[in-house]
Amino acid sequence: DQQVKQNSPSLSVQEGRISILNCDYTNSMFDYFLWYKKYPAEGPTFLISISSIKDKNEDGRFTVFLNKSAKHLSLHIVPSQPGDSAVYFCAASAWGNEKLTFGTGTRLTIIP
Amino acid sequence: GAGVSQSPSNKVTEKGKDVELRCDPISGHTALYWYRQSLGQGLEFLIYFQGNSAPDKSGLPSDRFSAERTGGSVSTLTIQRTQQEDSAVYLCASSLGRLSTEAFFGQGTRLTVV
Repeated sequence: DQQVKQNSPSLSVQEGRISILNCDYTNSMFDYFLWYKKYPAEGPTFLISISSIKDKNEDGRFTVFLNKSAKHLSLHIVPSQPGDSAVYFCAASAWGNEKLTFGTGTRLTIIP
Repeated sequence: GAGVSQSPSNKVTEKGKDVELRCDPISGHTALYWYRQSLGQGLEFLIYFQGNSAPDKSGLPSDRFSAERTGGSVSTLTIQRTQQEDSAVYLCASSLGRLSTEAFFGQGTRLTVV
């Protein structure tokens, strides 16, 4: 039962353009969402998060959008840079249960 | 330490042997997680410790897997009678728990069962 889904295993984007990574969830109890970035042979690193009381959170080139009615979130990276090439995981947790449930990841490749 | 530390970084073991993987979380973090990532797969939840509460073991794939957290700090993940399908990168993470869900990951232990 995959409660957090990233349906695109890979994505290629030209340098300087916008990268949009998508994530869907099924558990309506989830109220906190995070994006992690992972380089090969390293542990995931936290990128940005959003609480369910918001529909947008921005941090520099990274913006996360949350559509609660659709149970959908997306990560926008603009402009995309070669160093953004990595695997991106979305994760979710529910109030009172801080266990993070991760998606399967999307491999983003930025083409110079 | 400054970050989550895992040891060993690599472990090759023979099928049927037991292995222990160690995690040193960030000082002061009350929550500790174990995940694993098999080749080409996502992050699979294994177990979650939060303070003195009973751990959430719902992700452990079989009774060959167990984990302890001593003194609310260091954790050890033990895999008994290892099988080839146990080969994966085992990742540990810690967080402030209910104060913040943002989890910080170690670099992982790459386990290879031959």
